Amino acid sequence: EVQLLESGGGLVQPGGSLRLSCAASGFTFGSYAMNWVRQAPGKGLEWVSLISGGSVRTSYADSVKGRFTISRDNSKNTLYLQMNSLRVDDTAVYFCAKGAVPATYFDLWGRGTLVSVSS
Amino acid sequence: QTVVTQEPSFSVSPGGTVTLTCGLSSGSVSTDYYPSWYQQTPGQAPRTLIHSTNARSAGVPDRFSGSILGNKAALTITGAQADDESYYHCVLYMGGAIWVFGGGTKLTVL
Repeated sequence: EVQLLESGGGLVQPGGSLRLSCAASGFTFGSYAMNWVRQAPGKGLEWVSLISGGSVRTSYADSVKGRFTISRDNSKNTLYLQMNSLRVDDTAVYFCAKGAVPATYFDLWGRGTLVSVSS
Repeated sequence: QTVVTQEPSFSVSPGGTVTLTCGLSSGSVSTDYYPSWYQQTPGQAPRTLIHSTNARSAGVPDRFSGSILGNKAALTITGAQADDESYYHCVLYMGGAIWVFGGGTKLTVL
């Protein structure tokens, strides 16, 4: 079955760190760009970050640049998001999303993992 | 800063037709932005409906269609059904591996 499964969310204090994971199955993971997209409570979706299939290219939204790092391990079919210096406004459900070909849109989504940043 | 605009809410009668739009705070949306549309019910993962302006994703009913109307991207639902009641999100590809989502539209079918 083609699916994405996020994990690693939880409650963290402002200034803290968290690492999210996204396990992929049912497709050739290393052949596709992958993304993180988040959704704050009651808000719309916000694209966060992209990594190309071979990890050559990464990109970030301005809101997370310098604090978040996207990476992947194609041998484990897993995508990661290392989140440092977390802020209250980083509170959101974080989705991983597979990039289509061409990678101008997202064609497969996980169910998300909740990150809560609060003291 | 680029802002993508969507109607916060919309309502449609069962069987009716509704068009949701996706614009830019400054400038016009064209096919060069590869607009795509996603349907989401609360607590669920988004579902890809339309990509590259007007291409339906696999399994999406043909009552969903995408287009450019004037200076905006548009999602039209023809013959709305009760289970179309959802949030609809558009996203524009800004180039350079950067995307910007709109705020989403809550569609009510009543």
